[in-house]
Amino acid sequence: QTVVTQEPSFSVSPGGTVTLTCGLSSGSVSTTYYPTWCQQTPGQAPRTLIYSTNTRSSGVPDRFSGSILGNKAALTITGIQADDESDYYCVLYMGGGIRVFGGGTKLTVL
Amino acid sequence: QVQLQESGPGLVKPSGTLSLTCTVSGGSISGYYWSWIRQSPGKGLEWIGFLTDSGSTDYNPSLKSRVTISVGTSKNQLSLRLSSVTTADTAVYYCARDQGRWGGFDYWGQGTLVTVSS
Repeated sequence: QTVVTQEPSFSVSPGGTVTLTCGLSSGSVSTTYYPTWCQQTPGQAPRTLIYSTNTRSSGVPDRFSGSILGNKAALTITGIQADDESDYYCVLYMGGGIRVFGGGTKLTVL
Repeated sequence: QVQLQESGPGLVKPSGTLSLTCTVSGGSISGYYWSWIRQSPGKGLEWIGFLTDSGSTDYNPSLKSRVTISVGTSKNQLSLRLSSVTTADTAVYYCARDQGRWGGFDYWGQGTLVTVSS
């Protein structure tokens, strides 16, 4: 079974930039997986930030951007703010309608 | 504004069946896909399955033998049934409007905690 991989945790300073990645245990992530990124703050329901690799959802600031870097999907956050401290999940569309979440990355703002 | 609200028993006995309802307000369930997603305590998100606007379904292969997602008994409701539950099924269960590759999960319910325990 293919596993979607993410960094378990990341730390960044306010004002900084961070790039989180989303890979596959076997193979490469491409746009054909339509990578989607969700943000979840503690105690809240998640929300979608980015879908179809690089399209921002309504209301999401342009500090958040998605891309493909090498063989992985990537979420880059610039101008880090304190309230960016959240868990970030990628979702890949594996074909046949199946959606698979990655294990999530816990982002800490120092 | 579309709002989703999950409801159902918060406690289910092992080997029993978990049954939840998602009520959609501010919009119709017609024309959209609707997913159920869960999150075990302290863990990540897991996609359970979806219901399409035409009534077809697709499920996480790891849960497929135990899951049924269907239109609810009332207008603008969806239902989730998960049979033969174990303590591993203890989780917060979310329903979400699923725009797939064209928008991700654009509306979420607040989630409801279901505990499997005797």
